[in-house]
Amino acid sequence: DIQMTQSPSSLSASVGDRVTITCRASQGISNSLAWYQQKPGKAPKLLLYAASRLESGVPSRFSGSGSGTDYTLTISSLQSEDFATYYCQQYYSIVSITFGQGTRLEIK
Amino acid sequence: QVTLRESGPALVKPTQTLTLTCTFSGFSLSTSEMCVSWIRQSPGKALEWLARIDWDDDKYYTTSLKTRLTISKDTSKNQVVLIMTNMDPVDTGTYYCARTYSSTFRSDFWGQGTLVTVSS
Repeated sequence: DIQMTQSPSSLSASVGDRVTITCRASQGISNSLAWYQQKPGKAPKLLLYAASRLESGVPSRFSGSGSGTDYTLTISSLQSEDFATYYCQQYYSIVSITFGQGTRLEIK
Repeated sequence: QVTLRESGPALVKPTQTLTLTCTFSGFSLSTSEMCVSWIRQSPGKALEWLARIDWDDDKYYTTSLKTRLTISKDTSKNQVVLIMTNMDPVDTGTYYCARTYSSTFRSDFWGQGTLVTVSS
């Protein structure tokens, strides 16, 4: 299986901050990466796919980049509604789709 | 609009078989590229992808659970069923179904999830 390692596992930030979350794959995944946001007690919400393509309706302060094994999610200016847990997901292999362990974004 | 809803038992005993149903609306599983995926989440843990069924009846399972999972669809009822055999307490968690596109692997609509507890 392809392992996905997210960092940091938790992060404290303030409204207005720029935040970056990293996801590293155990092998190259050719931009086959999505990012999800999950709030407590809720289902995940798709933010980006194909590493950098913004899902319809998602604010433009969210962006994604990367290639090969290393990918990042950036929130350009944190809003109060952005405090949540974020997961990356690789889908390079259909029988080995895996998620990162999550990054919990908390209010400082 | 697109909605999905998971249903099934809240409590199962170890070694029993779990049957979960995803009932959806707003799209058809007979439409090209449409798929339904199952994902689960143990309490306080990360997400785990389980299985997917496509509009053309192709089926995919996570390698680690392949021998225990069966996914099927009833297009006329707009339902997808996931069966997991030989349940264990480590299978306790919230089970989600999600609409997925085969070409982009986007899971854009999710159900609210159903909590399954495995305990004797």
